[in-house]
Amino acid sequence: EPEVTQTPSHQVTQMGQEVILRCVPISNHLYFYWYRQILGQKVEFLVSFYNNEISEKSEIFDDQFSVERPDGSNFTLKIRSTKLEDSAMYFCASAREVRGVTEAFFGQGTRLTVV
Amino acid sequence: AQTVTQSQPEMSVQEAETVTLSCTYDTSESDYYLFWYKQPPSRQMILVIRQEAYKQQNATENRFSVNFQKAAKSFSLKISDSQLGDAAMYFCASQGGSEKLVFGKGTKLTVNP
Repeated sequence: EPEVTQTPSHQVTQMGQEVILRCVPISNHLYFYWYRQILGQKVEFLVSFYNNEISEKSEIFDDQFSVERPDGSNFTLKIRSTKLEDSAMYFCASAREVRGVTEAFFGQGTRLTVV
Repeated sequence: AQTVTQSQPEMSVQEAETVTLSCTYDTSESDYYLFWYKQPPSRQMILVIRQEAYKQQNATENRFSVNFQKAAKSFSLKISDSQLGDAAMYFCASQGGSEKLVFGKGTKLTVNP
């Protein structure tokens, strides 16, 4: 069964460094998302991406963050100048539209630790 | 704005028994969708079941079923014949007006042998 793949599974970075989290969505999906989950808290929406552009972003998704689909298959989240509070699980999801609803499939997540 | 509330931080159930996880939501959208996701210790988010708000019939997926009460804005998940592998965090989520999912805080389910 096709699945969303995220790399790396765990990333440790120093505060102030830039990180790029990578995702390979399911191949026939057209909608892509990033969510994050700070330890012990709920999953929060960051950004959605459709037709090669951001379709929606949350208040969390400020100028520190950017997304890209560099080669038509990968979907990346870049975090510039990381802060301690960026430590979280980051989930990529891709979705197809089925009878009017976008059904999202999540990757296994990247655990980001900022030290 | 959409909100999702899960009032049970933790629940436990005996293996083979039935458990119900509660979820209430609020939305101003007329068309919306509701989901339950399971997050085992591996941390991956796995879709368990979904419900289209325009459908009156409650969704069912094998041992998982929902009790969707639209007027009360309630969307509970019933797990029948609980198995040890059902132990996980369960998140209720809504989607309406856009593609983003809005999640509740989750319920940690423990299954006792």
